[in-house]
Amino acid sequence: AAGVIQSPRHLIKEKRETATLKCYPIPRHDTVYWYQQGPGQDPQFLISFYEKMQSDKGSIPDRFSAQQFSDYHSELNMSSLELGDSALYFCASSGLRGDYPDTQYFGPGTRLTVL
Amino acid sequence: GESVGLHLPTLSVQEGDNSIINCAYSNSASDYFIWYKQESGKGPQFIIDIRSNMDKRQGQRVTVLLNKTVKHLSLQIAATQPGDSAVYFCAENYPWGNDYKLSFGAGTTVTVRA
Repeated sequence: AAGVIQSPRHLIKEKRETATLKCYPIPRHDTVYWYQQGPGQDPQFLISFYEKMQSDKGSIPDRFSAQQFSDYHSELNMSSLELGDSALYFCASSGLRGDYPDTQYFGPGTRLTVL
Repeated sequence: GESVGLHLPTLSVQEGDNSIINCAYSNSASDYFIWYKQESGKGPQFIIDIRSNMDKRQGQRVTVLLNKTVKHLSLQIAATQPGDSAVYFCAENYPWGNDYKLSFGAGTTVTVRA
């Protein structure tokens, strides 16, 4: 079965540079979520999109922005990178909305290293 | 290997034994719960879920138990195998405005001894 695709898988940047992470949800999934996971930590929710509109916002720094496109893929844009931004970044997607919340399926993640 | 009722950050279990991983959730309005398995350097992988109108659900070698009275969730893994070594997270889904939020609990690192 098709899974969530993330690119790139690894990214190395210098401080103050910018980075763009991409996420391709499971086909027919309309909701995308972004998470940040530091070493030994649980995933922390950053932001989510439903039908190309921002649906929720978590602990996302103002230096970061994201959007969901017409084909439902999403991009997380990170500017003025700091050393503390080094982490695993996961994208998850979920299916059609109903009365019950839908299971979030996670991608393999992008490991960002800021030097 | 088990930690009855109590969440422990690590669990060491002998291959072939049963494992029990515990999780306490925080929001009494949570109505959907998921267990994820995360291997090193990989994304969380869905294992099993349970709705709040159930107290037990079984999958292949896994069983999830839900006790809403004490806001406790557990994952039982039967006949633990080396491939079960990973970090396990419970997650609760609770209403938030017109949407839902998924909140992860602290992970438990399971190590399977040969």
